[in-house]
Amino acid sequence: EIVMTQSPATLSVSPGERATLSCRASQSVSSNFAWYQQKPGQAPRLLIYGASTRATGVPARFTGSGSGTEFTLTISSLQSEDFAVYYCQQYHNLWTFGQGTKVEIK
Amino acid sequence: EVLLVQSGAEVKKPGSSVKISCKVSGTSFSDYYIHWVQQAPGKRLEWMGLVDPEDGNTLYAEKFQGRLSFSADTSTDTAYMELSSLRSEDTAIYYCVAVGTNYAWFDPWGQGTLVTVSS
Repeated sequence: EIVMTQSPATLSVSPGERATLSCRASQSVSSNFAWYQQKPGQAPRLLIYGASTRATGVPARFTGSGSGTEFTLTISSLQSEDFAVYYCQQYHNLWTFGQGTKVEIK
Repeated sequence: EVLLVQSGAEVKKPGSSVKISCKVSGTSFSDYYIHWVQQAPGKRLEWMGLVDPEDGNTLYAEKFQGRLSFSADTSTDTAYMELSSLRSEDTAIYYCVAVGTNYAWFDPWGQGTLVTVSS
């Protein structure tokens, strides 16, 4: 099983600041990688697939990068609606998720 | 727009079974695999498996082998997940997800179904 490890567990950021979230895979997943956003009481929402392609309707302030085992999600200027939990996922070999990073208001 | 609507919350006794439905609309049911994901309190999202509505083929995550059963009814465009021998650790929100046959990321998701296992 490919294990996905996210860091940090919690990120405290002020509105308007940049947030950088990381995810590491236990073995290479190439670019078979996605990011999801989950708000309380809601299902996860696809943000990024193919490591760097924004899903339909996702604002340009969300940028995904990386390949192989190291991936990053950058939110360039945090808006109030961006405070949520973010999960990474690999779909290279079956499907596994990271444990999540909570982005909270500083 | 592809829409997945799941059945409502359930409360079950330990040792019993639960069956959750996921109705797909806005698309051809057979053009998607239906995956199921567990989100237990304080735990990461966990992929449970998938069903191909076109032929009924299934793939189960090893963790759930033997207790899990997926099915799909193409006459009603509805997928089902049945989990048996329930225990307290199965208390979770269960999501169905539609994944197109030409891609592998998870989109769109159902709204989730809360299953509570309690004596």
